[in-house]
This record gives sequence, structure tokens and C-alpha cells, in this order.
Amino acid sequence: NAGVTQTPKFQVLKTGQSMTLQCAQDMNHNSMYWYRQDPGMGLRLIYYSASEGTTDKGEVPNGYNVSRLNKREFSLRLESAAPSQTSVYFCASSEDRKDTQYFGPGTRLTVL
Amino acid sequence: QQQVKQSPQSLIVQKGGISIINCAYENTAFDYFPWYQQFPGKGPALLIAIRPDVSEKKEGRFTISFNKSAKQFSLHIMDSQPGDSATYFCAASNINTDKLIFGTGTRLQVFP
Repeated sequence: NAGVTQTPKFQVLKTGQSMTLQCAQDMNHNSMYWYRQDPGMGLRLIYYSASEGTTDKGEVPNGYNVSRLNKREFSLRLESAAPSQTSVYFCASSEDRKDTQYFGPGTRLTVL
Repeated sequence: QQQVKQSPQSLIVQKGGISIINCAYENTAFDYFPWYQQFPGKGPALLIAIRPDVSEKKEGRFTISFNKSAKQFSLHIMDSQPGDSATYFCAASNINTDKLIFGTGTRLQVFP
């Protein structure tokens, strides 16, 4: 099992460009999450999906959209990237509420 | 809004010493307190977790101490090893939400 996979690993964008971060899990988990990690800020939840077909905002959703394509895949889209979105993005999944969250390896995004 | 406060920001310990990381929370509805360990370039991974019905949980060299009345919990790493060098995050969630609230992280360095 690969667990949680994320693509790409690294990305550099110019201000105003758009891109989609991809996440997939092979553990048949119901819940999936997108976090961003910034120095001194810890991990902050952007969006999450408690089950296929549902999505909800987290702590810092502005500037992002998500799609729960199916049970396995949960994508994060930046429509018009801004330098403030320079960060490391992590996708995670869990079997259900209150269960262990399993994290992917992260995507390091730089917006110039 | 930081609901989980973590300290210290960084910690240097000699091999064989005890590492102690502290967290404090505000929301009395929190009922699940995990600790995650993150190595450079990797995603966080669950290390140990506790629920408020017990005051202590031990797994090998890692112990969580929980003080419900003070709304504090801490991670103790006994006989710290260079391989323990990583960033540690405390987190909390409550029964009414799927969301984990993370602390800001502690970078631990263990020197031989």
C-alpha cells in the first residue's frame, strides 16, 4: 500500500497562475483533509471532506477550492495564486472521525 | 485564533536526557489529544494519543501526561536519542468535529 500520495512534490508559480494539487489514498478511508504548514504556525486546516461528496471549510479556506472526486481522491485548487500561498501543503486521510490521520509527503509550493 | 498553545518552540537535549514538550488548550470540549512526529521532508505521523479519562499514557520511551483541571498535556521522551530529532506537534479535537487543531510545533534536536 502506498498510503497517501501527493503530486507534485515541488511547484513554482507566478502570481495569478492557477494549479491543482492532487491527493490520493489507497486505505479506503472516508475522511480526507488539506493542511498548509508555515514556519511558526503549525498545521492549519484548509478544507476537509468527511465522506465522498461532501466538503467543508477549515480554518484558512480563502483562495482555495477543493473537489472530492471519489472516495480515493481529494484535490486542492488555487485559482489565482498569491505569494501568501507559498507554503508546504499536506493531504491527510482517516478512516472516520476521531481516527488517526495519515499524512502524505507534502507539496512545497512557491509563488513568486 | 490559536486554541492549542505549544512550548517550547525549540529544544536541545543531550543523548540520554529527558525531552519535555508542553501544550495548553482552552476549549473544554476537547476530548482527544494526539502527538505527531515529523521528520524533515516528510509528513507528520501519529506518535501517541490520549483521551481525558486517563492522566497518563506510556508507549516505550514516550509518555503523555494529561492534567484536565489545568487544561494542559505534555510529551515526555525518556532516554532521548539522536533518532528522535524531529518536529513534534500536539493537537486536540472534540467529539463534535472532525477537525484536529494543531499546536505550532517544537523542533527537538538530540545531540550525541
